[in-house]
Amino acid sequence: GAVVSQHPSRVICKSGTSVKIECRSLDFQATTMFWYRQFPKQSLMLMATSNEGSKATYEQGVEKDKFLINHASLTLSTLTVTSAHPEDSSFYICSARPRAYGYTFGSGTRLTVV
Amino acid sequence: LAKTTQPISMDSYEGQEVNITCSHNNIATNDYITWYQQFPSQGPRFIIQGYKTKVTNEVASLFIPADRKSSTLSLPRVSLSDTAVYYCLSPGKSTFGDGTTLTVKP
Repeated sequence: GAVVSQHPSRVICKSGTSVKIECRSLDFQATTMFWYRQFPKQSLMLMATSNEGSKATYEQGVEKDKFLINHASLTLSTLTVTSAHPEDSSFYICSARPRAYGYTFGSGTRLTVV
Repeated sequence: LAKTTQPISMDSYEGQEVNITCSHNNIATNDYITWYQQFPSQGPRFIIQGYKTKVTNEVASLFIPADRKSSTLSLPRVSLSDTAVYYCLSPGKSTFGDGTTLTVKP
């Protein structure tokens, strides 16, 4: 089946530093990938839609300069949290649609900013 | 974007059948309905998908009425390991609703 691999699974960084999260489609090509953020006991919130070869589309209220998205190939999208602060600590999840319907999700990245 | 609507929480006991209903009044004509299960600190996992009427797989059934404005996920004979958050999602809209937290008790 279609697999989306996300790395790292957890990361701890110091306030002010940047962190990169990778999302790979292992057995299919993904022209579009999606990035979500999830706070404890809350639903997934769509942050942005990553488009291969073009700029990402960000949801309202999401800072483009803080959450940099790069989708340089058909199998890899990256999310970089720049100048991270404790309030950026969250669970970040990526997904892609290997078929015309249905999403496949990565296993998520737990980011803790100290 | 219009979100789906589900009950916030449900409780059940081992061995019972659980039905979770989702309202999706603005579903597009060509959209499928997909249900996902999420455990803490994990990404959502696909359960089942359907377009209309009834779909059944090895873990669940999905009922979608003719007007397709709602769908019901049916979990037969739940176990403690089915305790999780369940989301319905219309693929045409990649936004999640609040999900249903199912707690299965012994």
